[in-house]
Amino acid sequence: GQQLNQSPQSMFIQEGEDVSMNCTSSSIFNTWLWYKQDPGEGPVLLIALYKAGELTSNGRLTAQFGITRKDSFLNISASIPSDVGIYFCAGLFSGGGADGLTFGKGTHLIIQP
Amino acid sequence: DAGITQSPRHKVTETGTPVTLRCHQTENHRYMYWYRQDPGHGLRLIHYSYGVKDTDKGEVSDGYSVSRSKTEDFLLTLESATSSQTSVYFCAISESHPVVAYEQYFGPGTRLTVT
Repeated sequence: GQQLNQSPQSMFIQEGEDVSMNCTSSSIFNTWLWYKQDPGEGPVLLIALYKAGELTSNGRLTAQFGITRKDSFLNISASIPSDVGIYFCAGLFSGGGADGLTFGKGTHLIIQP
Repeated sequence: DAGITQSPRHKVTETGTPVTLRCHQTENHRYMYWYRQDPGHGLRLIHYSYGVKDTDKGEVSDGYSVSRSKTEDFLLTLESATSSQTSVYFCAISESHPVVAYEQYFGPGTRLTVT
Protein backbone atom coordinates (compact mmCIF):
# COMPACT_ATOMS: atom_id res chain seq x y z
CA GLY A 1 0.00 0.00 0.00
CA GLN A 2 0.88 3.64 -0.10
CA GLN A 3 3.29 4.86 2.54
CA LEU A 4 3.95 8.32 3.89
CA ASN A 5 7.17 9.28 5.62
CA GLN A 6 6.72 12.25 7.89
CA SER A 7 9.64 14.08 9.45
CA PRO A 8 10.80 15.00 11.90
CA GLN A 9 9.13 12.66 14.40
CA SER A 10 9.41 15.31 17.11
CA MET A 11 10.60 18.88 17.45
CA PHE A 12 11.66 20.79 20.54
CA ILE A 13 11.67 24.51 19.80
CA GLN A 14 11.57 27.84 21.58
CA GLU A 15 8.48 29.99 21.54
CA GLY A 16 8.68 32.44 18.64
CA GLU A 17 10.69 30.16 16.38
CA ASP A 18 9.53 29.05 12.96
CA VAL A 19 8.76 25.37 12.38
CA SER A 20 9.06 23.23 9.27
CA MET A 21 7.94 19.66 8.71
CA ASN A 22 7.40 17.54 5.64
CA CYS A 23 5.93 14.39 4.22
CA THR A 24 7.14 12.27 1.34
CA SER A 25 5.32 9.49 -0.43
CA SER A 26 6.33 6.45 -2.41
CA SER A 27 3.56 7.24 -4.89
CA ILE A 28 1.81 10.32 -6.20
CA PHE A 29 -1.19 11.93 -4.56
CA ASN A 30 -3.71 14.38 -5.94
CA THR A 31 -4.70 15.72 -2.53
CA TRP A 32 -2.64 16.61 0.52
CA LEU A 33 -4.16 17.50 3.88
CA TRP A 34 -2.56 18.69 7.10
CA TYR A 35 -4.16 18.01 10.48
CA LYS A 36 -3.37 18.89 14.09
CA GLN A 37 -4.33 16.67 17.00
CA ASP A 38 -4.43 17.69 20.64
CA PRO A 39 -4.32 15.06 23.42
CA GLY A 40 -7.61 13.22 23.85
CA GLU A 41 -9.20 14.81 20.79
CA GLY A 42 -9.71 14.03 17.12
CA PRO A 43 -7.54 15.49 14.34
CA VAL A 44 -8.55 18.95 13.16
CA LEU A 45 -8.10 19.91 9.51
CA LEU A 46 -5.68 22.82 9.06
CA ILE A 47 -5.01 23.08 5.33
CA ALA A 48 -6.08 21.24 2.16
CA LEU A 49 -4.02 21.24 -1.05
CA TYR A 50 -5.32 20.12 -4.43
CA LYS A 51 -2.82 21.18 -7.10
CA ALA A 52 0.86 20.42 -7.60
CA GLY A 53 2.87 23.51 -6.69
CA GLU A 54 -0.02 25.03 -4.72
CA LEU A 55 0.95 27.17 -1.74
CA THR A 56 -1.81 27.83 0.81
CA SER A 57 -1.82 29.77 4.06
CA ASN A 58 -4.03 29.67 7.12
CA GLY A 59 -2.93 32.37 9.53
CA ARG A 60 0.62 31.55 10.64
CA LEU A 61 0.51 28.21 8.83
CA THR A 62 1.67 27.73 5.25
CA ALA A 63 1.60 24.46 3.35
CA GLN A 64 2.81 23.50 -0.10
CA PHE A 65 1.91 20.69 -2.49
CA GLY A 66 5.19 19.48 -4.01
CA ILE A 67 5.71 19.70 -7.77
CA THR A 68 6.40 15.97 -8.01
CA ARG A 69 3.06 15.27 -6.20
CA LYS A 70 5.02 13.00 -3.86
CA ASP A 71 5.66 15.48 -1.08
CA SER A 72 4.20 18.28 0.97
CA PHE A 73 5.53 20.79 3.49
CA LEU A 74 4.02 22.60 6.46
CA ASN A 75 5.56 25.70 7.99
CA ILE A 76 4.46 27.45 11.17
CA SER A 77 5.77 30.94 11.73
CA ALA A 78 6.42 32.55 15.12
CA SER A 79 5.29 29.56 17.17
CA ILE A 80 3.15 30.07 20.27
CA PRO A 81 2.36 27.68 23.15
CA SER A 82 -1.01 26.63 21.69
CA ASP A 83 0.80 25.24 18.62
CA VAL A 84 1.87 22.28 20.76
CA GLY A 85 0.42 19.02 19.51
CA ILE A 86 0.86 16.35 16.89
CA TYR A 87 0.73 17.35 13.24
CA PHE A 88 -0.27 14.79 10.64
CA CYS A 89 -0.01 14.89 6.90
CA ALA A 90 -2.50 12.86 4.90
CA GLY A 91 -2.59 12.04 1.23
CA LEU A 92 -5.17 10.74 -1.16
CA PHE A 93 -5.11 9.50 -4.71
CA SER A 94 -8.64 9.05 -5.92
CA GLY A 95 -10.24 8.71 -9.28
CA GLY A 96 -13.59 9.87 -7.98
CA GLY A 97 -15.83 9.87 -4.93
CA ALA A 98 -14.07 9.76 -1.58
CA ASP A 99 -11.71 7.16 -0.22
CA GLY A 100 -9.72 6.75 2.95
CA LEU A 101 -6.74 8.95 3.60
CA THR A 102 -3.21 7.63 4.04
CA PHE A 103 -1.68 9.26 7.11
CA GLY A 104 1.87 9.97 8.11
CA LYS A 105 2.86 8.96 11.64
CA GLY A 106 2.93 12.52 12.87
CA THR A 107 5.32 15.22 14.02
CA HIS A 108 5.15 15.90 17.74
CA LEU A 109 5.73 19.61 18.34
CA ILE A 110 6.92 20.68 21.78
CA ILE A 111 7.45 24.35 22.56
CA GLN A 112 9.64 25.53 25.38
CA PRO A 113 8.66 28.94 26.73
CA ASP B 1 -16.74 22.08 14.83
CA ALA B 2 -18.31 19.54 12.50
CA GLY B 3 -21.37 17.95 14.13
CA ILE B 4 -19.92 14.53 14.84
CA THR B 5 -20.42 12.57 18.03
CA GLN B 6 -19.10 9.17 18.97
CA SER B 7 -20.42 6.84 21.63
CA PRO B 8 -19.28 5.55 23.94
CA ARG B 9 -16.21 7.73 24.49
CA HIS B 10 -14.54 5.08 26.62
CA LYS B 11 -15.15 1.35 26.89
CA VAL B 12 -13.45 -1.56 28.57
CA THR B 13 -14.52 -5.01 27.45
CA GLU B 14 -13.36 -8.58 27.71
CA THR B 15 -11.82 -10.70 24.99
CA GLY B 16 -14.45 -12.53 22.97
CA THR B 17 -17.32 -10.15 23.63
CA PRO B 18 -19.08 -8.22 20.85
CA VAL B 19 -18.70 -4.45 20.82
CA THR B 20 -20.49 -1.80 18.76
CA LEU B 21 -19.28 1.77 18.41
CA ARG B 22 -21.55 4.47 17.09
CA CYS B 23 -20.84 7.53 15.01
CA HIS B 24 -23.56 10.13 14.60
CA GLN B 25 -23.39 13.20 12.35
CA THR B 26 -25.70 16.18 11.97
CA GLU B 27 -24.06 17.53 8.79
CA ASN B 28 -25.92 15.32 6.29
CA HIS B 29 -22.58 14.39 4.70
CA ARG B 30 -22.57 11.48 2.29
CA TYR B 31 -19.29 9.83 3.23
CA MET B 32 -18.37 8.35 6.61
CA TYR B 33 -15.23 6.56 7.73
CA TRP B 34 -13.86 4.56 10.64
CA TYR B 35 -10.17 4.77 11.52
CA ARG B 36 -8.10 3.34 14.32
CA GLN B 37 -5.12 5.10 15.84
CA ASP B 38 -2.26 3.21 17.40
CA PRO B 39 1.21 4.28 18.54
CA GLY B 40 3.73 3.72 15.77
CA HIS B 41 1.04 3.25 13.13
CA GLY B 42 -0.78 6.54 13.00
CA LEU B 43 -4.34 6.51 11.69
CA ARG B 44 -5.45 3.58 9.55
CA LEU B 45 -8.72 3.17 7.67
CA ILE B 46 -10.96 0.29 8.76
CA HIS B 47 -14.12 0.73 6.67
CA TYR B 48 -15.91 3.54 4.94
CA SER B 49 -19.37 4.28 3.58
CA TYR B 50 -20.34 6.19 0.46
CA GLY B 51 -24.08 6.16 1.17
CA VAL B 52 -26.83 4.40 3.05
CA LYS B 53 -26.20 0.66 2.91
CA ASP B 54 -23.07 1.24 0.76
CA THR B 55 -19.81 0.34 2.48
CA ASP B 56 -16.33 -0.78 1.54
CA LYS B 57 -13.27 -2.17 3.28
CA GLY B 58 -10.21 -0.21 4.22
CA GLU B 59 -6.64 -1.14 5.02
CA VAL B 60 -7.31 -2.97 8.32
CA SER B 61 -10.85 -4.37 8.02
CA ASP B 62 -10.27 -7.91 9.36
CA GLY B 63 -12.30 -8.52 12.53
CA TYR B 64 -14.58 -5.52 11.93
CA SER B 65 -17.94 -5.02 10.29
CA VAL B 66 -19.96 -1.87 9.66
CA SER B 67 -23.50 -0.84 8.94
CA ARG B 68 -25.16 2.32 7.76
CA SER B 69 -28.96 2.25 7.77
CA LYS B 70 -29.37 6.03 7.98
CA THR B 71 -27.34 8.91 6.58
CA GLU B 72 -26.51 10.17 10.05
CA ASP B 73 -25.34 6.93 11.70
CA PHE B 74 -22.38 4.66 10.98
CA LEU B 75 -21.83 1.69 13.28
CA LEU B 76 -18.60 -0.23 13.77
CA THR B 77 -18.90 -3.73 15.23
CA LEU B 78 -16.23 -5.97 16.64
CA GLU B 79 -17.92 -9.37 16.51
CA SER B 80 -15.52 -10.95 19.01
CA ALA B 81 -13.11 -8.44 20.49
CA THR B 82 -9.41 -9.31 20.77
CA SER B 83 -6.63 -7.56 22.66
CA SER B 84 -5.12 -6.44 19.35
CA GLN B 85 -8.22 -4.31 18.85
CA THR B 86 -7.38 -2.17 21.85
CA SER B 87 -7.08 1.24 20.22
CA VAL B 88 -8.58 4.68 19.81
CA TYR B 89 -11.28 4.68 17.14
CA PHE B 90 -12.15 7.77 15.14
CA CYS B 91 -15.09 8.43 12.90
CA ALA B 92 -14.75 10.93 10.07
CA ILE B 93 -17.14 12.47 7.55
CA SER B 94 -16.84 14.26 4.23
CA GLU B 95 -19.19 15.94 1.80
CA SER B 96 -20.40 14.79 -1.57
CA HIS B 97 -18.63 17.39 -3.66
CA PRO B 98 -16.20 16.99 -6.54
CA VAL B 99 -13.38 18.68 -4.66
CA VAL B 100 -14.03 18.99 -0.95
CA ALA B 101 -15.16 15.37 -0.70
CA TYR B 102 -11.54 14.75 0.20
CA GLU B 103 -11.62 17.00 3.27
CA GLN B 104 -12.44 14.70 6.14
CA TYR B 105 -13.59 15.93 9.53
CA PHE B 106 -13.05 13.81 12.60
CA GLY B 107 -15.08 13.02 15.68
CA PRO B 108 -13.69 13.08 19.24
CA GLY B 109 -12.77 9.38 19.30
CA THR B 110 -13.62 6.30 21.35
CA ARG B 111 -10.95 4.72 23.52
CA LEU B 112 -11.50 0.95 23.56
CA THR B 113 -9.61 -1.39 25.85
CA VAL B 114 -9.96 -5.16 25.42
CA THR B 115 -8.76 -7.11 28.46
